Amino acid sequence: NAGVMQNPRHLVRRRGQEARLRCSPMKGHSHVYWYRQLPEEGLKFMVYLQKENIIDESGMPKERFSAEFPKEGPSILRIQQVVRGDSAAYFCASSERPGLYEQYFGPGTRLTVT
Amino acid sequence: AQSVTQPDIHITVSEGASLELRCNYSYGATPYLFWYVQSPGQGLQLLLKYFSGDTLVQGIKGFEAEFKRSQSSFNLRKPSVHWSDAAEYFCAVGAGAAGNKLTFGGGTRVLVKP
Repeated sequence: NAGVMQNPRHLVRRRGQEARLRCSPMKGHSHVYWYRQLPEEGLKFMVYLQKENIIDESGMPKERFSAEFPKEGPSILRIQQVVRGDSAAYFCASSERPGLYEQYFGPGTRLTVT
Repeated sequence: AQSVTQPDIHITVSEGASLELRCNYSYGATPYLFWYVQSPGQGLQLLLKYFSGDTLVQGIKGFEAEFKRSQSSFNLRKPSVHWSDAAEYFCAVGAGAAGNKLTFGGGTRVLVKP
């Protein structure tokens, strides 16, 4: 059973470009969470999605960031017009049931904005 | 709002010695507590979790943690560390209306001396 998959593992973008990060949850998991880890910091919750629904986006910046989890395909975290401060590791996690606190993490996507 | 504090940013321990990592949390209700480990460039792996019941929980890789409600603590311990235990360790509390978001501490980086 494959774990949580994220791609790309590394992404370099110039300021003003768009970044699209993909996350495929574990097989059988329909709940996806995105976290951001800034350099030398812990992970910060961004958004929680179920298939076709955003359940909790309380950690998402108000502008430029969006997330989706379509009926088919991976979850996408999209950052428009990236700035240097967006440089971070973005982790996706998945869980099997709602309210189940055991989240399985992917290897992360390291975004560098130049 | 919930919060997690890991007072020690770095810990150096000799191989074979015991290890204890501190974690204090702030949360109004019964907490759901986790310890994750992150090796360099990797995602997070769950070491152990506490939901309820016995306050001493056993995890993988020989780790254990003790929940102390009176001290709002959930310290991680290992009797004898191995060089492969060098990594960053994160304590987290599960929160949110459906317990869907994890709030992480800042992490403790463990260095193992030969």
